[in-house]
Amino acid sequence: AQTVTQSQPEMSVQEAETVTLSCTYDTSESDYYLFWYKQPPSRQMILVIRQEAYKQQNATENRFSVNFQKAAKSFSLKISDSQLGDAAMYFCASSGGSNYKLTFGKGTLLTVNP
Amino acid sequence: DSGVTQTPKHLITATGQRVTLRCSPRSGDLSVYWYQQSLDQGLQFLIQYYNGEERAKGNILERFSAQQFPDLHSELNLSSLELGDSALYFCASSPGLYNSPLHFGNGTRLTVT
Repeated sequence: AQTVTQSQPEMSVQEAETVTLSCTYDTSESDYYLFWYKQPPSRQMILVIRQEAYKQQNATENRFSVNFQKAAKSFSLKISDSQLGDAAMYFCASSGGSNYKLTFGKGTLLTVNP
Repeated sequence: DSGVTQTPKHLITATGQRVTLRCSPRSGDLSVYWYQQSLDQGLQFLIQYYNGEERAKGNILERFSAQQFPDLHSELNLSSLELGDSALYFCASSPGLYNSPLHFGNGTRLTVT
């Protein structure tokens, strides 16, 4: 079984600043993947970034990067140069094993202040 | 646009009724997943199909059922609806079983009155 915990129900950041969203996970799988999804008010689920657990190098997608600490089972998301359009609910998720279903955390609501 | 199409966008129905939610996966994707998003339970995995066969089951109630058709579209059937079934139902698809991220549709908002 997999569990994903997001300890920050809400976060806020000033436009152009940097913010880090926290996520911890637990899994018995040796091969697994970690994701951050974004859900703006439009409610669409948008993949932000993906990390393969076997890769030591942290994934990066433009202004989004992760800090993957495998031993600590931590997977935080850093958003640099925050923009108003980054305001959304952010979900951390994990998958692994013989199927690819995602297990999601409860989400962190990010507000970006102008 | 993720390429995953869900219909209808909104559905309002009464308790005890039955509804069908439809999902067309991205072109080429063989796996379809159904998720339920509610305020109290968050995003809950319901069921997964791969190329027409059920592959995994999550927290899906016995009143709910799903299937994937030969053309790979999927339907989620919800029956004997209760107020607590009101939620956002997402369909997602991926090319295969492993090593590919899920792409989500825009969801169907179900309101049970």
